[in-house]
Amino acid sequence: QKEVEQDPGPLSVPEGAIVSLNCTYSNSAFQYFMWYRQYSRKGPELLMYTYSSGNKEDGRFTAQVDKSSKYISLFIRDSQPSDSATYLCAMSLDTGFQKLVFGTGTRLLVSP
Amino acid sequence: DSGVTQTPKHLITATGQRVTLRCSPRSGDLSVYWYQQSLDQGLQFLIQYYNGEERAKGNILERFSAQQFPDLHSELNLSSLELGDSALYFCASSRGQGAGGNTIYFGEGSWLTVV
Repeated sequence: QKEVEQDPGPLSVPEGAIVSLNCTYSNSAFQYFMWYRQYSRKGPELLMYTYSSGNKEDGRFTAQVDKSSKYISLFIRDSQPSDSATYLCAMSLDTGFQKLVFGTGTRLLVSP
Repeated sequence: DSGVTQTPKHLITATGQRVTLRCSPRSGDLSVYWYQQSLDQGLQFLIQYYNGEERAKGNILERFSAQQFPDLHSELNLSSLELGDSALYFCASSRGQGAGGNTIYFGEGSWLTVV
C-alpha cells in the first residue's frame, strides 16, 4: 500500500464548476500538507501549504486537512480551462531533514 | 519561473552511457533535492543536499550519485543507463533543511530518454 493515495482521474468538469480533489494517507505522523499543480512536461508549482489540521483559503482555492480521517482535500471554485493540469498532493513529517511524499496526481480537465 | 534552473532540458542517450544533470537552486536556498518522475511511479524522492552535505536519501539507485558544490549548485550523475531510467528528473530547492516548514520550489525538469 502506498503512503499517499490519490485518484489519477481524469476528472472532467465544465467551466465554472466546483472541483474537489482528494488524497488519503496512512502515516499519522505527517504534519505538513501541500498541493502542487503541474502542467504537462513542467515542474510542479506550489499552490497551497497547510500545517496540521484545518482549512486554508487562497482566492479560488481552499485546502482542507482532516488528520483524524487521514484525508486532505483541495477545492477549486469557479474552475477555468486554465486550471486544467495535474494536481499533486504532498506531505511531510515534522521539521528537520524530512522528504516530501507525493500522491500520483489527479488529472483535471476543465472544458469551456 | 520558480528560480530553480536545470540543464539540459532534454537529452537522448544510449543504454550503458553516463549523463550528468545540472541544477542551480534559487538564490539563498541551501537545500537541493532531486526527484524522478515516471509515468508509473509518480514523483519519487532521490536525494537531498543541504549546504554541501548529503542529508537524506530516498529511492536512489547505486548507479546514480549526486553532489552539491560550494556555490550550492548540484549535479546528478546517472551511469550504466537502462531503458527504465527514462524519466523526468526534477531538481528542487528550499531555504531550510527539509520539507517541514519550508517551501520547496521545483525546476522545469530534465527529460531523459534512454534508447
